[in-house]
Parts: sequence; C-alpha cells; structure tokens
Amino acid sequence: NAGVTQTPKFQVLKTGQSMTLQCAQDMNHNSMYWYRQDPGMGLRLIYYSASEGTTDKGEVPNGYNVSRLNKREFSLRLESAAPSQTSVYFCASSLEYSNQPQHFGDGTRLSIL
Amino acid sequence: SQQGEEDPQALSIQEGENATMNCSYKTSINNLQWYRQNSGRGLVHLILIRSNEREKHSGRLRVTLDTSKKSSSLLITASRAADTASYFCATDAGYSTLTFGKGTMLLVSP
Repeated sequence: NAGVTQTPKFQVLKTGQSMTLQCAQDMNHNSMYWYRQDPGMGLRLIYYSASEGTTDKGEVPNGYNVSRLNKREFSLRLESAAPSQTSVYFCASSLEYSNQPQHFGDGTRLSIL
Repeated sequence: SQQGEEDPQALSIQEGENATMNCSYKTSINNLQWYRQNSGRGLVHLILIRSNEREKHSGRLRVTLDTSKKSSSLLITASRAADTASYFCATDAGYSTLTFGKGTMLLVSP
C-alpha cells in the first residue's frame, strides 16, 4: 500500500530546462494537489484538481502547468525552469475536496542552477 | 496567504514533558487539521477537528478548538524523542483548499 508516490525524489536542472514531476495515488481519491515548501514560507498551493477532469490554480501557479492524467495521476510541469523555482515539491491527495485529511508523498527536491 | 499561524516557531523540551503548540487563524472555518512532518519526509495527518467540536483526542495527542478566539492548540503528552518533527496546522474554510501555517519545530531531547 504505497499511498502517494512522487518521482523523481531529487533533480537538478539548469535555468531554462523543462521537466515534469510525477505523482500517483492508489487510494482512489478524487482530489489531488501540488504544493511547494520553502524555508520560512510553509506550504503553498500551486495547483489542485478537485476531481478527475478539473484543475484549478492555487496561490502560486505562475511558471507551472498541471495535468490530471486520470484519477490516479496528477503531474506538474515546469516549462522553463528558473532559480526561484528551487524548492521541495509535495503532491497530496484527499478523498474529497473539502472536510477531508490530505495524504502526502515524500516530496521531490528540485534545484535549479 | 497564510491563514493559520503557529506559535511558538520552535520548542525544545525533554523526554517525558508535555509539548503545547498553538494555532491562530483569521476567518471562519469548517475544520482545522494538524499535521506532522519529520525531516526529509512528507506531511502526515494527525487530527481533524470540526468547527462544532471543542476537543479531540488521539493517543497522546489532544487538540482543542476555540472558534470564538479563532485558535487551536495541540498538546502532546509524555513526549518522546520520536516526536521530534515540525507540526503544522491547516484550516479548511469549506470554499477553498487547506491553508497551512508555517509550522512549529519541536525538538525532544532524551
């Protein structure tokens, strides 16, 4: 029972490169989320998908795109990486959009040089 | 913007002591949740307390909620070294996603 799985765990990119962070959950959850965590800033929501087929912007969506590929998978794409996007990225899922606990993956540590 | 704000930012105690962390928020909520994050890991859900509840227990954890003061507290009794982690509160206003605070770093020394 894996829960929420994120790949890769670590990545170093050069400015301007693109990459996709993958996330999959095996709990049959309807809602999925992408956060970034920076020192002193707590968790900030980038994008979320309340249900399969929908995606919405969170607090800090600029520079990112997402795809809800199916009910299990929710990917985050950086089209042209910038040093300001150096962060730890967490994917989470919940049974429903509200009034439910969220389950987190162990994060992707991304450095952009 | 952050709705929940934890206090203190850092807390250092000895094993066996109790640890209390507080969370204040600004707007009405449907529920408030507490999470733990061990170093290098994702957040783990601890407790969800609904706006019509005043207190909730789970093992050595006790959470209170005072909606009139817009505040919550997390009490960990008889702390262990394994409780060393960061603790976050998150508010659910019902019309938007969870909003997390910046966390309290708890260090429990043997």
